[in-house]
Amino acid sequence: GENVEQHPSTLSVQEGDSAVIKCTYSDSASNYFPWYKQELGKGPQLIIDIRSNVGEKKDQRIAVTLNKTAKHFSLHITETQPEDSAVYFCAASYYGNNRLAFGKGNQVVVIP
Amino acid sequence: DAMVIQNPRYQVTQFGKPVTLSCSQTLNHNVMYWYQQKSSQAPKLLFHYYDKDFNNEADTPDNFQSRRPNTSFCFLDIRSPGLGDAAMYLCATSGGTSGHNEQFFGPGTRLTVL
Repeated sequence: GENVEQHPSTLSVQEGDSAVIKCTYSDSASNYFPWYKQELGKGPQLIIDIRSNVGEKKDQRIAVTLNKTAKHFSLHITETQPEDSAVYFCAASYYGNNRLAFGKGNQVVVIP
Repeated sequence: DAMVIQNPRYQVTQFGKPVTLSCSQTLNHNVMYWYQQKSSQAPKLLFHYYDKDFNNEADTPDNFQSRRPNTSFCFLDIRSPGLGDAAMYLCATSGGTSGHNEQFFGPGTRLTVL
């Protein structure tokens, strides 16, 4: 089955700086890659996703890039703010599969 | 707003006392999922329903059961909770025009076992 690895496990950034989280996946059939943000005591919230027919997708301060050849995808958060502090999970799946393979999560701390 | 609702948000039960967690959705999605999430870990899929078809994960203990009486509701039954079952339980849905990859999570139910 699919195996998703996520690095680093913890990331601290100064407010206003950029944060980058990288995930690698093992199954070349995977073609859907979402990112979830989970705040303490809440359920994961889908913040952005990308499908394998594109290499990059942006939504305001967040962006996701995908390198299918290298089997990795990354979340980029620019101009970080304290409310960006959370755990971020990457995941992978393929069309028609109802399951998501999650990474272990990354704790992002934005220091004011 | 269309959403996934979980009740209760916090549940306390005693060791071995059956407990039921509920999930409802207004998204009209045909797939509903139950996940278990322990502290500092990723969500772990227990099972999911595709419409009325039940799909159990191979490593889900028999102690966990589920019911989906209609499109909108899904229940998680823990027949004899043990201390190791204390966790956050997350319900999620997918389907509709968004397709079956995008999953939308509820706020979760935090289960404490005494």
